[in-house]
Amino acid sequence: GNSVTQMEGPVTLSEEAFLTINCTYTATGYPSLFWYVQYPGEGLQLLLKATKADDKGSNKGFEATYRKETTSFHLEKGSVQVSDSAVYFCALSKETSGSRLTFGEGTQLTVNP
Amino acid sequence: EAGVAQSPRYKIIEKRQSVAFWCNPISGHATLYWYQQILGQGPKLLIQFQNNGVVDDSQLPKDRFSAERLKGVDSTLKIQPAKLEDSAVYLCASSLDSGGYNEQFFGPGTRLTVL
Repeated sequence: GNSVTQMEGPVTLSEEAFLTINCTYTATGYPSLFWYVQYPGEGLQLLLKATKADDKGSNKGFEATYRKETTSFHLEKGSVQVSDSAVYFCALSKETSGSRLTFGEGTQLTVNP
Repeated sequence: EAGVAQSPRYKIIEKRQSVAFWCNPISGHATLYWYQQILGQGPKLLIQFQNNGVVDDSQLPKDRFSAERLKGVDSTLKIQPAKLEDSAVYLCASSLDSGGYNEQFFGPGTRLTVL
């Protein structure tokens, strides 16, 4: 079946540090890939997505590239801010599964000033 | 545009009691999802509706969980009787449709504690 594996957390960084959160997936065919973010006390929000191999999703300074050869979709940001502190979820969706999302376990990011 | 609404936001019950959660999706969204998010884990789909029909309920524990979406708009999720392991956040999401990829918009969730 489909599955998503994220790097173990939590991750603690200083402001302006470089961020990488690893995500790999297992799925047949060509899933769509997503990063969702959950800020404290808020619901899940779509951060970025990529729907085919080699696509790069980007938003708010975050980027992730769909790498089919390594089945990966790592999240990166060049300079994190305190306001980026949140839980980040990698997810995949397949049209053949009715577009339901399969999530990874989430990575808690804390950015200190 | 109003987002996905859920109520209550918090609920505490004792095991073997029953509980119900309500979701009002974004207006015009045909597809509605219920996810269960256990602490420290990612959300897991319980059930998916397309209008008022069930598309996928393969991971719904049907001996105790039930859900309905009357008139293809609001939805309720019920647990009867609750077990300790049902303690989780229950998320409702909606999307315009389920074909291709349509972004899912999530509500704030209902945090259930079973004592």
